[in-house]
Amino acid sequence: DVKVTQSSRYLVKRTGEKVFLECVQDMDHENMFWYRQDPGLGLRLIYFSYDVKMKEKGDIPEGYSVSREKKERFSLILESASTNQTSMYLCASSSPGQGAAEAFFGQGTRLTVV
Amino acid sequence: GDSVTQMEGPVTLSEEAFLTINCTYTATGYPSLFWYVQYPGEGLQLLLKATKADDKGSNKGFEATYRKETTSFHLEKGSVQVSDSAVYFCALSDWDTGNQFYFGTGTSLTVIP
Repeated sequence: DVKVTQSSRYLVKRTGEKVFLECVQDMDHENMFWYRQDPGLGLRLIYFSYDVKMKEKGDIPEGYSVSREKKERFSLILESASTNQTSMYLCASSSPGQGAAEAFFGQGTRLTVV
Repeated sequence: GDSVTQMEGPVTLSEEAFLTINCTYTATGYPSLFWYVQYPGEGLQLLLKATKADDKGSNKGFEATYRKETTSFHLEKGSVQVSDSAVYFCALSDWDTGNQFYFGTGTSLTVIP
């Protein structure tokens, strides 16, 4: 069974903390994505990566950074957590190319910043 | 740029009712189209997909047809069940934009017995 695994289902962090969200996939996918999901706003792309050590900004990169040192692992970093970063974070991976290569999602991390 | 617009919810239906959730898209290239479903507290799961015009994706009684002339990919099910209660997302992936995925805002469906 193919899998995208996020390290935590629930996290509570304090304002100003540096927060790491980890995501691992076992499908040898080149592309990996981080989204945040908020009610009424759907999924918004934070960053994506199409190869090891490569990254591209998405629609809302401010306050976030990412790291991809190995193909299977894509980390999202909140440099200094703020309450407006309280959200559901979803990691996904896919294989590039034309045709219907779908994205596979992790189970999500619900982050609360207090 | 690429975008997806889907019908706003929430939608509440009685069991065995007919479901339609509208989805239209804008894309620079020739995208692949998807419907994802999200059950409470979970990540997104692929429900169905289509790669080219007039393709019909289907799964678990749900269907959607890729309509290039109307840039639409509406989701339908003939008879919904309580277990179909979830949030449904329409999405596209476009080779011309590096295989990024663009999602609609989601439509919440509640089916009552």
